[in-house]
Amino acid sequence: QVQLQESGPGLVKPSQTLSLTCTVSGGSISGGSYYWSWIRQPAGKELEWIGRVHTTGSSNYNPSLKSRVTISIDTSKNQFSLDLTSVTAADTAVYYCARESAVTTLDCWGQGTLVTVSS
Amino acid sequence: DIVMTQSPDSLAVSLGERATINCKSSQSVLYNSNNKNYLAWYQQKPGQPPKLLIYWASTRESGVPDRFSGGGSGTDFTLTISSLQAADVGVYFCQHYYGTPRTFGQGTKVEIK
Repeated sequence: QVQLQESGPGLVKPSQTLSLTCTVSGGSISGGSYYWSWIRQPAGKELEWIGRVHTTGSSNYNPSLKSRVTISIDTSKNQFSLDLTSVTAADTAVYYCARESAVTTLDCWGQGTLVTVSS
Repeated sequence: DIVMTQSPDSLAVSLGERATINCKSSQSVLYNSNNKNYLAWYQQKPGQPPKLLIYWASTRESGVPDRFSGGGSGTDFTLTISSLQAADVGVYFCQHYYGTPRTFGQGTKVEIK
C-alpha cells in the first residue's frame, strides 16, 4: 500500500521560497507509469492543481503558477519536491502531494501540510 | 483552462434518501479515441485529504460502496448517493483529467437533514 507524506516548513516569510518534500513509502516512486503531483487548498476554498512530475523528469505546471513553480523528483530517495518562489499571503494553503495515473487520476494522497505565509 | 462548475453548493438530505450532485465542464472531457470521459469524483471529510470515489466518470474506485454511482458524458456529469449514510457527510469535488491543468469544481457540501 503506497503512502505519501509531505514535509517542510509550516511558516514562510513573504517573498521567500516555499519548499516541500513528499516521501513515498510502500512502493518505488519509479514503479509503474505514474505522475507525482502537488495540489493545494486554501482554507475553505477549492482545490488547485499546482503541477506534476513524471519519473522520467518531464513536468507540467499550472499556467497560473508556472513562472514560480518547480517540481522535481529524486528516485534514489523515493521523494519528489515542490519549490514555489516569491510567495505572498495568497499562497497560504494546505499543500497535498498525490500520485496520478492515466486511468484513475489522483488515486493516492498525502495527509496534507499547512503552509502559512506571514512575516 | 477547463472550468468545472458544480451544483448545488450545498445539499441536505435525510438518512436513507438519495443525494445527487451535478458537475458541468466548460468543454467536453470525452476522448473519442477510447470513448472515456476523463472525469473523477472525490469525497473530502474535515481535516482529511480528498478520497477518490469515481474515475472515468462512472467507474468506482476499489473499496467504494456501491451506493455511490457516477454518470454523464461530454460536459454534464452526476454523482449519486443512492441511500445517504451518516458516513457520507462531507464535501464532494469533481475534477477533469482531460489535459492540463487539471481543474476541480468548487465543491458540494453534503449534510444530513
